[in-house]
Amino acid sequence: QVQLQESGPGLVKPSGTLSLTCAVSGGSISSSNWWSWVRQPPGKGLEWIGEIYHSGSTNYNPSLKSRVTISVDKSKNQFSLKLSSVTAADTAVYYCARGGAIFGVVIKGFDPWGQGTLVTVSS
Amino acid sequence: DIQLTQSPSFLSASVGDRVTITCRASQGISSYLAWYQQKPGKAPKLLIYAASTLQSGVPSRFSGSGSGTEFTLTISSLQPEDFATYYCQQLRDFGQGTRLEIK
Repeated sequence: QVQLQESGPGLVKPSGTLSLTCAVSGGSISSSNWWSWVRQPPGKGLEWIGEIYHSGSTNYNPSLKSRVTISVDKSKNQFSLKLSSVTAADTAVYYCARGGAIFGVVIKGFDPWGQGTLVTVSS
Repeated sequence: DIQLTQSPSFLSASVGDRVTITCRASQGISSYLAWYQQKPGKAPKLLIYAASTLQSGVPSRFSGSGSGTEFTLTISSLQPEDFATYYCQQLRDFGQGTRLEIK
């Protein structure tokens, strides 16, 4: 079964760039699914950040679009998130997830999810 | 942007109760609606997708229904392990969550 694992620094300085990687195991990132990043500030709800297809096509949350870059590395079966100009408001648990798609549309929900990684923005 | 509003935001219930959580969209949406359960410190778990399709391995006491602007998640008989926070999602947008606690 497909498993996802996030990795990256747990502490980022204000105005810096948050960088995370999601390793996909048990399946190919080149399958017909979208691969998403979702975050959850402490004690708050879920916020979708963006997604990527194995072709490199991306979609981003409009509220974050100017600061987000998602990329894919098919050779390593992983995808990555970069969020620039971070502030304390970007402190959150960051999850990666697979968006189950049919004909390119995510209609099967997000499953599986990684375990999540807490990123704190602080000097 | 489509807004998803869940009600109630907080729900207190007892083991064995039947509970319903509603997700209302600000405009008519496709039936590509999913429901998730999240327990503290854990990633969300997919329960239902396409409004009413039960994800593999999810107990049959969970069910989903709805179309247009109103969707519901029903738990037919609450079990102790069901006390958690539930989120609806339409494509990429999430509702604000419903916290289900033991009465």
